[in-house]
Amino acid sequence: ETGVTQTPRHLVMGMTNKKSLKCEQHLGHNAMYWYKQSAKKPLELMFVYNFKEQTENNSVPSRFSPECPNSSHLFLHLHTLQPEDSALYLCASSQDFSGGLFEQYFGPGTRLTVT
Amino acid sequence: AQTVTQSQPEMSVQEAETVTLSCTYDTSESDYYLFWYKQPPSRQMILVIRQEAYKQQNATENRFSVNFQKAAKSFSLKISDSQLGDAAMYFCAYRSFYSGGSNYKLTFGKGTLLTVNP
Repeated sequence: ETGVTQTPRHLVMGMTNKKSLKCEQHLGHNAMYWYKQSAKKPLELMFVYNFKEQTENNSVPSRFSPECPNSSHLFLHLHTLQPEDSALYLCASSQDFSGGLFEQYFGPGTRLTVT
Repeated sequence: AQTVTQSQPEMSVQEAETVTLSCTYDTSESDYYLFWYKQPPSRQMILVIRQEAYKQQNATENRFSVNFQKAAKSFSLKISDSQLGDAAMYFCAYRSFYSGGSNYKLTFGKGTLLTVNP
């Protein structure tokens, strides 16, 4: 596998379920990101990790819980979601924040539907 | 705070022709980066082209070029010799030049859906 991978690609869950999204990067990067992409809205940054430390929580509801066990893996744990949480969830990675361009590379996303 | 505006929700172009996608942004910073990302129907977003604000020369990548007008805060993307594979959602994005604080954040526009007609 190369680049940034995400599993599952599609997920349907009820409001009382608990599920997790997984992201893995094979680029040797140290920073990882979760974005939410809803129709007709700009991408919303949710969480950022740099060297496994969370550096950003963009006022995300607690029903979304991120986990970054190492620089290559990022999870988004979901519980008691609402229908308005249905969206495409994108993971991205970049080298780090030490300076320079540190371009972000994106995964294919997980299409989440909350019923 | 910076904002990015893409005023064209949808655009269409005939195969082999040229199309220009518009992007304007608002910032008080003098140094920054601008990007165009492409998100095809398969959904993986990829970087198409980037521009450093301190460079006067417009960036070019094969059939993709930008028209960067710093004073006007405009950053349009021109796609020449359009191909069916160019059909995608295109996002314009801004990032601060400096790495401190929250400057690593990308600020995205809402996107322009490009259709390429055979």
